[in-house]
Amino acid sequence: DAGVIQSPRHEVTEMGQEVTLRCKPISGHDYLFWYRQTMMRGLELLIYFNNNVPIDDSGMPEDRFSAKMPNASFSTLKIQPSEPRDSAVYFCASSWGSSGRAEDTQYFGPGTRLTVL
Amino acid sequence: GENVEQHPSTLSVQEGDSAVIKCTYSDSASNYFPWYKQELGKRPQLIIDIRSNVGEKKDQRIAVTLNKTAKHFSLHITETQPEDSAVYFCAASGFQKLVFGTGTRLLVSP
Repeated sequence: DAGVIQSPRHEVTEMGQEVTLRCKPISGHDYLFWYRQTMMRGLELLIYFNNNVPIDDSGMPEDRFSAKMPNASFSTLKIQPSEPRDSAVYFCASSWGSSGRAEDTQYFGPGTRLTVL
Repeated sequence: GENVEQHPSTLSVQEGDSAVIKCTYSDSASNYFPWYKQELGKRPQLIIDIRSNVGEKKDQRIAVTLNKTAKHFSLHITETQPEDSAVYFCAASGFQKLVFGTGTRLLVSP
């Protein structure tokens, strides 16, 4: 099992540019989560999907952020336009099943370190 | 919604000592409580978890306890080693959505 795959691992861009982060969940997992980690705010849930459908996007900071999951093996998080305060590590995680069962452990990808200049 | 508080924010111990990290949660419906370890520059990795129908769980040098009445749970690491140095996060979940604590930076000195 390759685990959760994220790309790119590092992204440096200039303010105003569009940024697209990519995630491939573990095969068979039906939940996918996008998190943002910063020193100031810790680990924040941005949005999560179940069976490719967005369930809760209340953590998405503003309209500049959007996420899609066109199929069970691929998701994107897009920031347009990017701003310096978006600089953070963005993690994707996946899991199987609902809370209360052994399958709900979340497995994290390696993260994408985003720097917006 | 759920709110998770974690203490202390930093913890320094000598190798061989025990370390305890405590978390409280607000939503009595939460029933799943994982602990993640994150080394510098790496992803959070699950080290142990506990469900609301269990009061304590052990895995070698690591144990977690849960008090549902008081709505708090704790991570215990015995015989600490330098490789235990990392940031530890607790989390609580009622239905899939995990809410994380702010993290504890554990430093184990040789």
